[in-house]
Amino acid sequence: AQSVTQPDIHITVSEGASLELRCNYSYGATPYLFWYVQSPGQGLQLLLKYFSGDTLVQGIKGFEAEFKRSQSSFNLRKPSVHWSDAAEYFCAVGFTGGGNKLTFGTGTQLKVEL
Amino acid sequence: EPEVTQTPSHQVTQMGQEVILRCVPISNHLYFYWYRQILGQKVEFLVSFYNNEISEKSEIFDDQFSVERPDGSNFTLKIRSTKLEDSAMYFCASSEDRGLATNEKLFFGSGTQLSVL
Repeated sequence: AQSVTQPDIHITVSEGASLELRCNYSYGATPYLFWYVQSPGQGLQLLLKYFSGDTLVQGIKGFEAEFKRSQSSFNLRKPSVHWSDAAEYFCAVGFTGGGNKLTFGTGTQLKVEL
Repeated sequence: EPEVTQTPSHQVTQMGQEVILRCVPISNHLYFYWYRQILGQKVEFLVSFYNNEISEKSEIFDDQFSVERPDGSNFTLKIRSTKLEDSAMYFCASSEDRGLATNEKLFFGSGTQLSVL
């Protein structure tokens, strides 16, 4: 069965600093990979997704993620964090034939210091 | 952007009581889902629903749970006799298509926080 690990439960960065949130997955074939963000009182919003092709994926709000098959990773990055980026971030994996059934990680809570 | 609406945002109930969580999916979507997140744990898939029947369900989704699309717009999750361990954030989601196609994505609601006392 597929699984997702987000090793960092909490991360604090200063506004303007760069950000990298880690995500590792376990799945036998090529997965479909997603990053979602949840702001307080909001639903899960899709930031970006990887299905195939270019391993560097651009998303909304200036985020990007890179799929590295050799490391089974799909880390989320942003070059300069804004205070409004404070939220919880979830990595998720789907698979061929799985429909829209996703397996999520436990999430990383991002705090931004002004 | 269209959105999935969930009501109520918070629900408090007594153990053993029935509770119904409500969701209004995006109007042209055909596939509906419930996920839940127990505090501090992962978001977990509960059930998917299409064409008025369950497509897939997880082992969490036992006989105490049921889903229904009663009127063509709402999508509900019923817990027949709530237990303490049912306390969680419940997310509804919908999609236009079933597969993880390139342009496909799930739209999630903002969740209902269920507290069982």
